Amino acid sequence: AQTVTQSQPEMSVQEAETVTLSCTYDTSESDYYLFWYKQPPSRQMILVIRQEAYKQQNATENRFSVNFQKAAKSFSLKISDSQLGDAAMYFCAYRSSYSGAGSYQLTFGKGTKLSVIP
Amino acid sequence: DAGVTQSPTHLIKTRGQQVTLRCSPKSGHDTVSWYQQALGQGPQFIFQYYEEEERQRGNFPDRFSGHQFPNYSSELNVNALLLGDSALYLCASSLGFSGANVLTFGAGSRLTVL
Repeated sequence: AQTVTQSQPEMSVQEAETVTLSCTYDTSESDYYLFWYKQPPSRQMILVIRQEAYKQQNATENRFSVNFQKAAKSFSLKISDSQLGDAAMYFCAYRSSYSGAGSYQLTFGKGTKLSVIP
Repeated sequence: DAGVTQSPTHLIKTRGQQVTLRCSPKSGHDTVSWYQQALGQGPQFIFQYYEEEERQRGNFPDRFSGHQFPNYSSELNVNALLLGDSALYLCASSLGFSGANVLTFGAGSRLTVL
């Protein structure tokens, strides 16, 4: 079974600065998807960024980018020019690309609470 | 464009009771998944419905059951509630049954079991 580990329960960043959230995962599969989701106090999970394992290029979405290290099974999220609205819980998640029992479920880490200091 | 809507937003039950949670998927989506998020934890997969059938199931007991209707909406039923069932229940929808699909989540139903 796949596992996702987020080793930073809480992080803080000054407004306009850059912060990196860490995520490691364990899998025996070679093809899969990795995600970062944001969960603000409104509770709704919002997709921040997605990475396909077979793509070597790191995904980027505006101020959000990832550092995907497949061999190390590491998937960190970098937030540049942090804004007050970035304050939320951030969850790293894994999803297999293979069909079969349990394959399409998202496996989440425990999350990192990000605070943004004005 | 309406996203994923869930009802009720909050509810309180007592041990042993039964509860039904409802989910309407995002317009155009036909697959619904349910997740349980305990306080301070990441969501855990309960099950997924596609074409009105349960296609995938996580490590949850049979007390947890579901249904998908022809209009793609879904219900999650939990019988014989335990204190440990207190959690945020999230519904997510997507188009098609594939690992490549991106899920859209609702805001959840907060269940408290006393």
